[in-house]
Amino acid sequence: ETGVTQTPRHLVMGMTNKKSLKCEQHLGHNAMYWYKQSAKKPLELMFVYSLEERVENNSVPSRFSPECPNSSHLFLHLHTLQPEDSALYLCASSSPQIQENTGELFFGEGSRLTVL
Amino acid sequence: GQNIDQPTEMTATEGAIVQINCTYQTSGFNGLFWYQQHAGEAPTFLSYNVLDGLEEKGRFSSFLSRSKGYSYLLLKELQMKDSASYLCAVSSFSGGYNKLIFGAGTRLAVHP
Repeated sequence: ETGVTQTPRHLVMGMTNKKSLKCEQHLGHNAMYWYKQSAKKPLELMFVYSLEERVENNSVPSRFSPECPNSSHLFLHLHTLQPEDSALYLCASSSPQIQENTGELFFGEGSRLTVL
Repeated sequence: GQNIDQPTEMTATEGAIVQINCTYQTSGFNGLFWYQQHAGEAPTFLSYNVLDGLEEKGRFSSFLSRSKGYSYLLLKELQMKDSASYLCAVSSFSGGYNKLIFGAGTRLAVHP
């Protein structure tokens, strides 16, 4: 299996549930990202992990809790979400921009979250 | 502040040429990326510009003017499969990772 894989692809949860999104990359990248994509809005950067250390947290509410146990896996733990959190959550990975490498982000296909 | 603007929607005819513009005002700049995203799919990398000028890659070309904060993506010989959203993103590298700030995307519809 290659690329960036996200599970589950679809998730419906109530506001009191606790669930997790999983992301796995087999590209040997050192950085992993969570983005939120809502309709007609730009992708919003949520969290960045570089070498398994969280380096960016863009004022994301604490009901979203990321975890990066190793360089290949990234989780987003969800707890007491609100209906406005319904969106597509995209995971991405990248390697450093050196020599000919552009440092582009490779995205997974996303987890479509619906909060009831 | 960070601001990236691109048109919301565009339409074009199969076989034609379309230009999607992007203007940006960002606090840092290490290059500009274009991504393509089909409905229900992952965004995929199209092009990267870090110096002024035109980068050509098959039917797709991308242009950058850093002094004007302006880029465009040019799609030639349009095909139906080019119907997708096109995302402009400004890059600022920091400590080994690439912080991409995205525009809202331009939804392109290609008609026969």
